[in-house]
Amino acid sequence: KAGVTQTPRYLIKTRGQQVTLSCSPISGHRSVSWYQQTPGQGLQFLFEYFSETQRNKGNFPGRFSGRQFSNSRSEMNVSTLELGDSALYLCASRAGTGGSPQHFGDGTRLSIL
Amino acid sequence: AQKVTQAQTEISVVEKEDVTLDCVYETRDTTYYLFWYKQPPSGELVFLIRRNSFDEQNEISGRYSWNFQKSTSSFNFTITASQVVDSAVYFCALSEATQKLVFGQGTRLTINP
Repeated sequence: KAGVTQTPRYLIKTRGQQVTLSCSPISGHRSVSWYQQTPGQGLQFLFEYFSETQRNKGNFPGRFSGRQFSNSRSEMNVSTLELGDSALYLCASRAGTGGSPQHFGDGTRLSIL
Repeated sequence: AQKVTQAQTEISVVEKEDVTLDCVYETRDTTYYLFWYKQPPSGELVFLIRRNSFDEQNEISGRYSWNFQKSTSSFNFTITASQVVDSAVYFCALSEATQKLVFGQGTRLTINP
């Protein structure tokens, strides 16, 4: 069974640009979550989607948005990029609710110049 | 509010030594889940174990064991006879009703040959 797939693996952008990251969950998983990992703040929750609906959102500005498609694939968009957005962005999927474990992809490493 | 504290930022031991990673959590919920994840240098988070708040049984899986104590709000992880391949950053995480994961800051474990 294929794991969570994130594309691209690496991305370099400049300030002010926007970026879209993609995540394909494990087959059959309907929940997709996104996390940001930085050396200073650690791992922080961005948002979760379930059946194309945002179910939960972390404390990030509106520049961070996402969506989920009918096939459970998800995209995350960051607009007006800032230097502080440089991070590893991790996507996770899980089969259901009630504390089922989240399984993570390899991440997209975003660097802002 | 939920919080996870991993007081040990870095641990370095010699191969074959036993090592324990500490995790202390805070939550007001009576139903919650605790997790351990491993992050090797490649970046992906690998799920190791999940425990729900009603199951205080310790668990052993090969060289890995976990000790969950609600009385002290701790969920510690022990590696017996450590190996170089165990070198990674280990994260403890908590989820409540919102089901988002709140991570500790991580413990970087280095096993020296």
